[in-house]
Amino acid sequence: AQSVTQPDIHITVSEGASLELRCNYSYGATPYLFWYVQSPGQGLQLLLKYFSGDTLVQGIKGFEAEFKRSQSSFNLRKPSVHWSDAAEYFCAVGAHGGYNKLIFGAGTRLAVHP
Amino acid sequence: GAVVSQHPSRVICKSGTSVKIECRSLDFQATTMFWYRQFPKKSLMLMATSNEGSKATYEQGVEKDKFLINHASLTLSTLTVTSAHPEDSSFYICTSGGKLSTDTQYFGPGTRLTVL
Repeated sequence: AQSVTQPDIHITVSEGASLELRCNYSYGATPYLFWYVQSPGQGLQLLLKYFSGDTLVQGIKGFEAEFKRSQSSFNLRKPSVHWSDAAEYFCAVGAHGGYNKLIFGAGTRLAVHP
Repeated sequence: GAVVSQHPSRVICKSGTSVKIECRSLDFQATTMFWYRQFPKKSLMLMATSNEGSKATYEQGVEKDKFLINHASLTLSTLTVTSAHPEDSSFYICTSGGKLSTDTQYFGPGTRLTVL
């Protein structure tokens, strides 16, 4: 069965520091992978997605993620964090086969110190 | 991207009553919408797929008689929590988008349900 693991429940970084949020997945084939951000009072917003091709994916707000098949990982990175990046981040995997069902990780809450 | 609204944003009800949550796709005609449930400090769990003009498809373990889904038009899906109990208290989120895994899903802002 598909599953997504986000090992870090809560991360705190200083503004301007680099960020890496971890995501590991379990899936029998190459999955569709997503990172979403959830801010209070806002719906989940798609940061980036990976379907195939270049394993380094660029997203919005300066985020990027790298798909590593050998490690079953899809870690999210940002070189310099802004205070507005404080939010909950969810990694998700989608099934192939024409059915848009997303399996989410438990989420990582990011706090940013000034 | 597409805009999805939910109403109400939060609702408090007494145990035993029913609550209806609306999900509207404001600028996108959605034949398929999805309903998720998010527990506190937990992930989102897919509850069901709402199909316009036909019955919803429920995930394993979700009681279809308790969580009634109606998708009467291309822009509106409703989730009715019947005979609500305190354990139904949760954050309910709908999405609108295509049916394919490669289609982007647009998430509503969610509805906080509290059952007393």
